[in-house]
Amino acid sequence: EAQVTQNPRYLITVTGKKLTVTCSQNMNHEYMSWYRQDPGLGLRQIYYSMNVEVTDKGDVPEGYKVSRKEKRNFPLILESPSPNQTSLYFCASSLRGEATQYFGPGTRLLVL
Amino acid sequence: GENVEQHPSTLSVQEGDSAVIKCTYSDSASNYFPWYKQELGKRPQLIIDIRSNVGEKKDQRIAVTLNKTAKHFSLHITETQPEDSAVYFCAASSDSNYQLIWGAGTKLIIKP
Repeated sequence: EAQVTQNPRYLITVTGKKLTVTCSQNMNHEYMSWYRQDPGLGLRQIYYSMNVEVTDKGDVPEGYKVSRKEKRNFPLILESPSPNQTSLYFCASSLRGEATQYFGPGTRLLVL
Repeated sequence: GENVEQHPSTLSVQEGDSAVIKCTYSDSASNYFPWYKQELGKRPQLIIDIRSNVGEKKDQRIAVTLNKTAKHFSLHITETQPEDSAVYFCAASSDSNYQLIWGAGTKLIIKP
C-alpha cells in the first residue's frame, strides 16, 4: 500500500531534550516536506527536500534540522525543543514539488 | 515570492446549499492550483486540482475555477452534505518554484 508513515504519532517531552520524528514514504517520491500546523495559522512549511542530499528552508525553519540521506526517509530533528514548538507536525511527499502531496498521519508534539 | 490569500476563514452554510471558497495568488508564473480537505483529526487530502491551461474542472459536486488574469481561483461545492464539514486549503506553485504555497484555510460548517 502506498503511504507516508510518521513516528511517533504522539510525543510529550521536556525543554531541551533532543528528539527526532521519522518520516518514510514507499512511493519513490523525489519531493518531501515537513509542515507544522497551529490553530488559525494553517500549514506552515518547515523544510523541504527536492531529492537525496538536497534540502532547503521553508517558511519557519528556526529550531529544526532535517536530513535526506535516502530517498524514502526525511527525519525532522529538534536539537533543543522549546514550548513554542508544541504543534501538530505533518510530513508529506510528492513526485515533484508541484504535484499531489501525500501527507503522513501527523505527529502531535507537546514540549513542557 | 508567492503569496496565497484565502477567504473566508470560516463559512457556514445550510445543508443542501452551495459553498464557495476563494483564493488569490501573487505570482503570475504559478500554474498549479490544488485544493485539500482536512477533516477533524485527520491529514489533509487532495480533493481537486487545476492547471493554468484550463479555466474550470469538475468532479461530481465539487468544481474549481481559475481566472489567470485576475489571479484568483475558487472552490465550489454544490448540494452540501454533513460530510463536507472540514477545513479546506488552497495552494499554488509553479514549474520554476517547486514549493506549494498554502492559503490559511477555510473552516466549512454545514448546518443541518
